[in-house]
Amino acid sequence: DAKTTQPPSMDCAEGRAANLPCNHSTISGNEYVYWYRQIHSQGPQYIIHGLKNNETNEMASLIITEDRKSSTLILPHATLRDTAVYYCIVREGIGGGTSYGKLTFGQGTILTVHP
Amino acid sequence: EAGVAQSPRYKIIEKRQSVAFWCNPISGHATLYWYQQILGQGPKLLIQFQNNGVVDDSQLPKDRFSAERLKGVDSTLKIQPAKLEDSAVYLCASSLDPSPNSPLHFGNGTRLTVT
Repeated sequence: DAKTTQPPSMDCAEGRAANLPCNHSTISGNEYVYWYRQIHSQGPQYIIHGLKNNETNEMASLIITEDRKSSTLILPHATLRDTAVYYCIVREGIGGGTSYGKLTFGQGTILTVHP
Repeated sequence: EAGVAQSPRYKIIEKRQSVAFWCNPISGHATLYWYQQILGQGPKLLIQFQNNGVVDDSQLPKDRFSAERLKGVDSTLKIQPAKLEDSAVYLCASSLDPSPNSPLHFGNGTRLTVT
């Protein structure tokens, strides 16, 4: 089962920052926070991931709270092409003979960027 | 680098027929995954390979689904016999290794329709 809670949908104006929240209050110390997005008829696209520190790449920034119970994905200047389903995922660690780094998707947030 | 390649892109079969999907992961990626995505839901992991060995197949319906990765590179997923509820997109993904710090990269999937 997914260990994250996301709003089902959000809107954003083109050119503005899109801030997508995610709650993961039961996250364990060795579990990473991942973000993927999926545009219609395509496979999920990797965006960013982090363990405890904030991360930034060419696509987005990931802000993780100090207690690691929530995070925010920031798309700094949203465009119409950023309209997609965004998945926040807590990825399992490896160990104990039953954990293999599984990536379990939830329902995600439908982000609509409008002109 | 080339992404994850999948074929065919679309497949329509009748129930009780068999079908096979093919996946070629990113070069050098040791870990390969098959996911099933039913319309309106997030992808669900079916099976995970490390090189040519199965790491996790706990979610694979083994009475009708099978998968192999004989030489540790390409993989095939087979369904025999297909049921109506198998209609879905079948996604293949690969990662450098199973570490939770190693992102999965997805192909665009095979859309299966069972009539």
